[in-house]
Amino acid sequence: SQQGEEDPQALSIQEGENATMNCSYKTSINNLQWYRQNSGRGLVHLILIRSNEREKHSGRLRVTLDTSKKSSSLLITASRAADTASYFCATRNYGGSQGNLIFGKGTKLSVKP
Amino acid sequence: GAVVSQHPSWVICKSGTSVKIECRSLDFQATTMFWYRQFPKQSLMLMATSNEGSKATYEQGVEKDKFLINHASLTLSTLTVTSAHPEDSSFYICSARDVLAGGWGETQYFGPGTRLLVL
Repeated sequence: SQQGEEDPQALSIQEGENATMNCSYKTSINNLQWYRQNSGRGLVHLILIRSNEREKHSGRLRVTLDTSKKSSSLLITASRAADTASYFCATRNYGGSQGNLIFGKGTKLSVKP
Repeated sequence: GAVVSQHPSWVICKSGTSVKIECRSLDFQATTMFWYRQFPKQSLMLMATSNEGSKATYEQGVEKDKFLINHASLTLSTLTVTSAHPEDSSFYICSARDVLAGGWGETQYFGPGTRLLVL
């Protein structure tokens, strides 16, 4: 079953603008991860934030985590056309198949030059 | 970083034939590999968990006789789609966890995916 739910499902912005994507999840977590997927390609791990962290930065990426609301956000600053991709949040299913990742539905980001 | 490869990257086959997809961890050992399926514009759905030297664990609704998984070594898992039908057309992605990463192996690497089209 899907653990994470991202919103918006699709986001279209101009190059240089910031993009914010949100993710909500249902169960307790140890960490939450964000992945990127270019069209028809595999996934690339972007960032992992642990349950005891509230914010984490990596380059132009900023991730926040609110465990009380069971939600996370991914902010991409100063977006570029190359950031066009689908972004997924994922949580670890510790009670299921040996800790597989459960992915949200994803946000499709389109950055126009 | 660690690399996971998949072969083939895409395959077109006739209905009724079987297709084998390989997933390899290139520079680390993976006792556990995961197979996901992704339909167009949708998220990844776990199909099964592949364990080296033992039977795979399938998710509810996934036919084990349809999707045969073999994890013969610490670096190779294969998914065979038997008697493929057009509805099996999808993007199949494997991932592997680095056993040396410890704990739950939060370091999980994904293959580039295999696109299957069944005519």
